[in-house]
Amino acid sequence: ELKVEQNPLFLSMQEGKNYTIYCNYSTTSDRLYWYRQDPGKSLESLFVLLSNGAVKQEGRLMASLDTKARLSTLHITAAVHDLSATYFCAVEGYGGATNKLIFGTGTLLAVQP
Amino acid sequence: GAGVSQTPSNKVTEKGKYVELRCDPISGHTALYWYRQSLGQGPEFLIYFQGTGAADDSGLPNDRFFAVRPEGSVSTLKIQRTERGDSAVYLCASSLGGAAGGQYFGPGTRLTVL
Repeated sequence: ELKVEQNPLFLSMQEGKNYTIYCNYSTTSDRLYWYRQDPGKSLESLFVLLSNGAVKQEGRLMASLDTKARLSTLHITAAVHDLSATYFCAVEGYGGATNKLIFGTGTLLAVQP
Repeated sequence: GAGVSQTPSNKVTEKGKYVELRCDPISGHTALYWYRQSLGQGPEFLIYFQGTGAADDSGLPNDRFFAVRPEGSVSTLKIQRTERGDSAVYLCASSLGGAAGGQYFGPGTRLTVL
């Protein structure tokens, strides 16, 4: 059974600081997604990582994927308050035609001024 | 609109009642998914449609839950004899499918069973 774990579960950081959120998954998958969720809102797609070694950057966020280690990271550079949200990684279920996503527990990010 | 839409945005019902939740996917997206998100948790997969057929319903918790997509576009999630434990946000997502087809989520329906 595919399991996805994120850490930390909660991250409080000051503006201007850097930090990394980690996403580990238990079985083979070549596709990993990062989503952002604001309170009471739906999920906003941030990154789709499709191959080993993939790295994508958008603004202050950078995501990478290591399929051999079954690890993805979301790196935050020089955090700003607007980045405060819950971040989820999700791994596509491997095998078959489902493409269902298995989500991590989420990381609640609070950026303090 | 261009995105996934869901109605109603909020639904309050009493235990034992029947509810229907609607999802209108992005035009042209053949794949449609339902997920359920409980407070403080990540979304959990319920069912996947490719076209009109339910290709994977392994996430439906029991036979009180059922979903249809009769014309390959709009989908309805149906819950019979609702229980308090069914309270959650029900999210719908659609995608083009294939290797690069990320899933785009709707705003969700918040279901509260009293």
